[in-house]
Amino acid sequence: DGGITQSPKYLFRKEGQNVTLSCEQNLNHDAMYWYRQDPGQGLRLIYYSQIVNDFQKGDIAEGYSVSREKKESFPLTVTSAQKNPTAFYLCASMGNYGYTFGSGTRLTVV
Amino acid sequence: GQSLEQPSEVTAVEGAIVQINCTYQTSGFYGLSWYQQHDGGAPTFLSYNGLDGLEETGRFSSFLSRSDSYGYLLLQELQMKDSASYFCAVRQTDSWGKLQFGAGTQVVVTP
Repeated sequence: DGGITQSPKYLFRKEGQNVTLSCEQNLNHDAMYWYRQDPGQGLRLIYYSQIVNDFQKGDIAEGYSVSREKKESFPLTVTSAQKNPTAFYLCASMGNYGYTFGSGTRLTVV
Repeated sequence: GQSLEQPSEVTAVEGAIVQINCTYQTSGFYGLSWYQQHDGGAPTFLSYNGLDGLEETGRFSSFLSRSDSYGYLLLQELQMKDSASYFCAVRQTDSWGKLQFGAGTQVVVTP
């Protein structure tokens, strides 16, 4: 079955540490997106990519980085510059009318 | 910039009908979509309106009026499993498919 796989499901980060969240899709979609969701709030766009080797900053890109070396993969790195990284991170790809989301990664700073 | 407004919470009993309104301000409007998210889960796509009018998908319908910058999601014959958060999202033209999400409406279905 086609879909988006995010890993890990839960991630714990120490202060000053970089961590990378994985996002893989087998839907053959060109466009992929990373969103952040804080408790009780909507989704905010971090980065997006329309094609391989190209990506653009979203509304809250500071402290994050991405790469798009393959169509299927769009990993997100949360760097030590992101001062408040505890959140639910969602990866998505765009189909004909709407997004397909992965199951998300819950990141907690310890 | 863009902004979307939707109610924060709606409570209704099983079998009832609920309407969730969404008003938006944006330049270069392309379409309005709706997503459902259960607690602890990921959002799932419900419906999309690119043109004015009503789209029906089973118990759920979505409406758009571009002249009023307004849309709604209608949930009919409410079931307990419909308890979730519902988000409206706007797509602009030339936006590479980026969506701007509202803050979400928590729907609570009671017996």
